[in-house]
Amino acid sequence: QSVLTQPPSVSGAPGQRVTISCTGSGFNIGAGYDVHWYQKLPGTAPKLLIYGNSNRPSGVPDRFSGSKSGTSASLAITGLQAEDEADYYCQSYDSSLSGWVFGGGTQVTVL
Amino acid sequence: QLQLQESGPGLVKPSETLSLTCSVSGGSISSSTYHWGWIRQAPGKGLEWIGSIYYIGSTYHNPSLRSRLTIAVDTSKSRFSLRLTSVTAADTAVYYCARLERSTSSWYDWYFDLWGRGTLVTVSS
Repeated sequence: QSVLTQPPSVSGAPGQRVTISCTGSGFNIGAGYDVHWYQKLPGTAPKLLIYGNSNRPSGVPDRFSGSKSGTSASLAITGLQAEDEADYYCQSYDSSLSGWVFGGGTQVTVL
Repeated sequence: QLQLQESGPGLVKPSETLSLTCSVSGGSISSSTYHWGWIRQAPGKGLEWIGSIYYIGSTYHNPSLRSRLTIAVDTSKSRFSLRLTSVTAADTAVYYCARLERSTSSWYDWYFDLWGRGTLVTVSS
């Protein structure tokens, strides 16, 4: 049971927009700590997608965007493509655990 | 381009010690800008932060693993290591090493910007 809650799965047709939520508490996201997002394909290492709530590293398509409000954060994927099928994880710091935590992960399926 | 590579036994017996090394190449492990960390993913599960270390040796551990965990850095060999004692089947996972970078001036806002490929460690007799 992660302190950051993500939906187990989301799906969408090619070209559609999907969003993944990451819900925390006053000990993590609500305390003002940054949220970061990772994409993980089967058998490969996680890849940084968004850092500092809404910043994209060089090379990440602008179809991916992040936002944060209150005790939650969201990752949006616009113009969904088949190659976006993967697991997505949010990450932040939790003061009650005194460490960095990941969400449980969300599997994105392209219909 | 900086690269990280995990190495160590792929099979460990229950109650024994899991030891892994992460070799850093193409950049300095002694940079004051970064931390270095370990993350794991058990089969069918999500990512779990294990612990992190700064080049001067300061360490940060997942509280659930702290009593069994040792993380160390060897700057002369540009590598850092993980030791987890008294392992059980629950420690079976793919173990990743990664570099952490800070997203704000806050000491707590770190993210994992570069990752190793990961290494599967199975705990079984």
